[in-house]
Amino acid sequence: DQQVKQNSPSLSVQEGRISILNCDYTNSMFDYFLWYKKYPAEGPTFLISISSIKDKNEDGRFTVFLNKSAKHLSLHIVPSQPGDSAVYFCAASLRDDKIIFGKGTRLHILP
Amino acid sequence: NAGVTQTPKFQVLKTGQSMTLQCAQDMNHNSMYWYRQDPGMGLRLIYYSASEGTTDKGEVPNGYNVSRLNKREFSLRLESAAPSQTSVYFCASSVMGGAYEQYFGPGTRLTVT
Repeated sequence: DQQVKQNSPSLSVQEGRISILNCDYTNSMFDYFLWYKKYPAEGPTFLISISSIKDKNEDGRFTVFLNKSAKHLSLHIVPSQPGDSAVYFCAASLRDDKIIFGKGTRLHILP
Repeated sequence: NAGVTQTPKFQVLKTGQSMTLQCAQDMNHNSMYWYRQDPGMGLRLIYYSASEGTTDKGEVPNGYNVSRLNKREFSLRLESAAPSQTSVYFCASSVMGGAYEQYFGPGTRLTVT
C-alpha cells in the first residue's frame, strides 16, 4: 500500500508559468515532508522541505504547501524555467531513520 | 569534497553471479542508505544504516546484504544476482535520519542477464 502518492506521472507547463506538483499521503503520523529533484543519469538532489507543524515553506521560486486535513502537499514553482525540467519526488518522514518516496512526477517545461 | 561516491557506474552480471556495490561519503554523516530505482516505481529503500555499526532492512531487502564498514563506507552485496535485480542503485547519506536532507551519489546502473 502506497503511503506517499504522486498521481500525475507527468506534467507539461509553459516556460514562465506556474508549475504545481501534487502529492498525497495516507499516514497522519508523518512529521516531515521533502521534495527532491532528479535529472537523468544523476542522483536526486534535495529541493525543499516542510515540517508538519507548518502549512507553507518558501525558498526562492519554490514554495511547498501542506494541507494536513486533506493529507495533501503541493510544490509550486514560479516562474517555471527550462532547467526545472526533471523528475520530482515527494517524500515523507516518520521521524525515524528513513523516508518514504513517491513514484515521482516528470515535469516538462515547454518553450 | 566529493560528497557521495559510488562504484562502479555500470555493471552487467549473469544470473547467479555475485558483486558488491561500493559507496563512500566524506561529509562525516551518520546515516547511510541504499535505494533502487525502477521505471514507474520511484525510489525504494533496500537497507539503511542509522549509525556506524547498525544496519536495518528497508522496503525491499530480499536478495541483498549490506556492510557498514566504517562511518564513511556502506556497501551493498548481491550474493546471487537475478534479472529482477536489474535496476539503478543509489547510495545516500545524511547527518541523521528522517527529516534531514539526504545527499545522493550518481548511481550504479546494474543489468542482470
